[in-house]
Amino acid sequence: AQSVTQLDSQVPVFEEAPVELRCNYSSSVSVYLFWYVQYPNQGLQLLLKYLSGSTLVESINGFEAEFNKSQTSFHLRKPSVHISDTAEYFCAVTTGFQKLVFGTGTRLLVSP
Amino acid sequence: DVKVTQSSRYLVKRTGEKVFLECVQDMDHENMFWYRQDPGLGLRLIYFSYDVKMKEKGDIPEGYSVSREKKERFSLILESASTNQTSMYLCATQGLAGVYEQFFGPGTRLTVL
Repeated sequence: AQSVTQLDSQVPVFEEAPVELRCNYSSSVSVYLFWYVQYPNQGLQLLLKYLSGSTLVESINGFEAEFNKSQTSFHLRKPSVHISDTAEYFCAVTTGFQKLVFGTGTRLLVSP
Repeated sequence: DVKVTQSSRYLVKRTGEKVFLECVQDMDHENMFWYRQDPGLGLRLIYFSYDVKMKEKGDIPEGYSVSREKKERFSLILESASTNQTSMYLCATQGLAGVYEQFFGPGTRLTVL
């Protein structure tokens, strides 16, 4: 069975600073990986995904994540955060269609 | 764009009441899911369905049941609501086109008094 670990429950950062949200997974087979974002009082939105090909994937709003098979990680990064990035971020893994397994989430708090 | 709607954004019920949460999607997706979200626990899968009238238990099905009579609609039922079912409930859909991602509704925040 797969599992996902997000070690940081909360990450405070100042505006325009870089940020990294960590995600590690465990699986005995090939995986597909996702980052979702949840803004206050909303559902989850897909931020980016790794299915195959290039291990570095990017979102339209400046986030990127790198799939590292040897370290079983899929960390999310942004070189310069904005106040509007304040949200909760969830990492998720699947080995195929149907069930996703989610991490416990990381709350990103961006202050001026 | 996929649109997933949930019947209520906020709901307050009393202990022992029967509660229905409805989810409707407009993208002809085969798979539908119900999760509950609690602080520090992330999303936990309650039930999912991969076809009309089909259902599978997730990780925490106790105290819940589901119904899928039509492809676009997936209902979550709390037969006798309890205070420990106070939570955010999220519905999601997933197609079979090989992209694996799930699309979420806005959520229903249920409070059981």
